[in-house]
Amino acid sequence: KAGVTQTPRYLIKTRGQQVTLSCSPISGHRSVSWYQQTPGQGLQFLFEYFSETQRNKGNFPGRFSGRQFSNSRSEMNVSTLELGDSALYLCASSLDGGVEYSPLHFGNGTRLTVT
Amino acid sequence: GENVGLHLPTLSVQEGDNSIINCAYSNSASDYFIWYKQESGKGPQFIIDIRSNMDKRQGQRVTVLLNKTVKHLSLQIAATQPGDSAVYFCAEPAGSQGNLIFGKGTKLSVKP
Repeated sequence: KAGVTQTPRYLIKTRGQQVTLSCSPISGHRSVSWYQQTPGQGLQFLFEYFSETQRNKGNFPGRFSGRQFSNSRSEMNVSTLELGDSALYLCASSLDGGVEYSPLHFGNGTRLTVT
Repeated sequence: GENVGLHLPTLSVQEGDNSIINCAYSNSASDYFIWYKQESGKGPQFIIDIRSNMDKRQGQRVTVLLNKTVKHLSLQIAATQPGDSAVYFCAEPAGSQGNLIFGKGTKLSVKP
């Protein structure tokens, strides 16, 4: 079974631009979450989508948004990029059987550099 | 609030030795914990999980121990190999399926 796939692998953008990152979850996984990883802050939760609905959101400004499609694929968008948005953006999917937690499985991330 | 933290930021071991990576948590209501391994240039890789109704769980060369009394979690790696070199994170859900709180990570270096 293929793992979580994220594209592109690397991105370089300039301040003020916007960017869209894509994530394809593991087949059959219905929950998709996004995380930002930086050396200073570690792994921080951005948001989670389930059945095309945002189910939970972390403490990030409104410039960070996302969506999920009917096939569970997800995208996240960052508008008006700032230098501090430079980070590794990770997508994770999980089976989410409903009652008990199931582990998240991560992709290898998109490395975003804002100049 | 909830917090998942690690005691040691770095750990260096000799190949073939056993490694122990520790993690403390503050929310006594936490009922699920996960260990991840992150190699350079890759995303976190699921290693093993444990639910609060267990004290110990074993996988292939790895064992997770949960001590709810002192709110402590540990990951033991037997016969550590160079391929085990990575950053290890413990994590717990922050109330919903996709929202995990991660510790800061422990970097494990294996000397040949």
